[in-house]
Amino acid sequence: SAVISQKPSRDICQRGTSLTIQCQVDSQVTMMFWYRQQPGQSLTLIATANQGSEATYESGFVIDKFPISRPNLTFSTLTVSNMSPEDSSIYLCSVERGISGLDTQYFGPGTRLTVL
Amino acid sequence: KQEVTQIPAALSVPEGENLVLNCSFTDSAIYNLQWFRQDPGKGLTSLLLIQSSQREQTSGRLNASLDKSSGRSTLYIAASQPGDSATYLCAVRSGSSNTGKLIFGQGTTLQVKP
Repeated sequence: SAVISQKPSRDICQRGTSLTIQCQVDSQVTMMFWYRQQPGQSLTLIATANQGSEATYESGFVIDKFPISRPNLTFSTLTVSNMSPEDSSIYLCSVERGISGLDTQYFGPGTRLTVL
Repeated sequence: KQEVTQIPAALSVPEGENLVLNCSFTDSAIYNLQWFRQDPGKGLTSLLLIQSSQREQTSGRLNASLDKSSGRSTLYIAASQPGDSATYLCAVRSGSSNTGKLIFGQGTTLQVKP
């Protein structure tokens, strides 16, 4: 299994500001994933973060809006920039772990963001 | 493009009942399928992972089946308990390797009444 922590657990922010979310994993992983879960919706992958290289963003998500850092193999940050009410969501960090071919996806507890 | 659908969106049952949650996907070329549980305001907990070559997986009172040809998976919960109340999500990893993206369904919110 994997133990993942996220900070903050929740925040209420003003429009136009930015918030940085931290994700810490209990042991080294190659890839870390950031997801968004909008109210009443399922999870959508924002980007994949590899240590030592630029993050890979999914369609509809751009680096200027969601810059990601991956300074080492156990830590990553996601910044939500220039926030608007439409950014109100739960943001989840995730890793994969297991024997190749049997990789299970594990998730952090999430960061609940409300933008006023 | 892979699409994952879960029906029903919500389900309410009395304690002790056996129940089935459904997940369907449009592209049968999947690598694996995973069932998750999400409690209100929390992250996801992995329940079961089924490889594309497998037909089912069991863990305690949970049994997940996979029928790739029909694009369906079911999660069977035996002897339901109030503690089973949560949202259940299925996610499909498409393609032929573990590098494919996970595509999630919208979930089934289960309420088990004492």
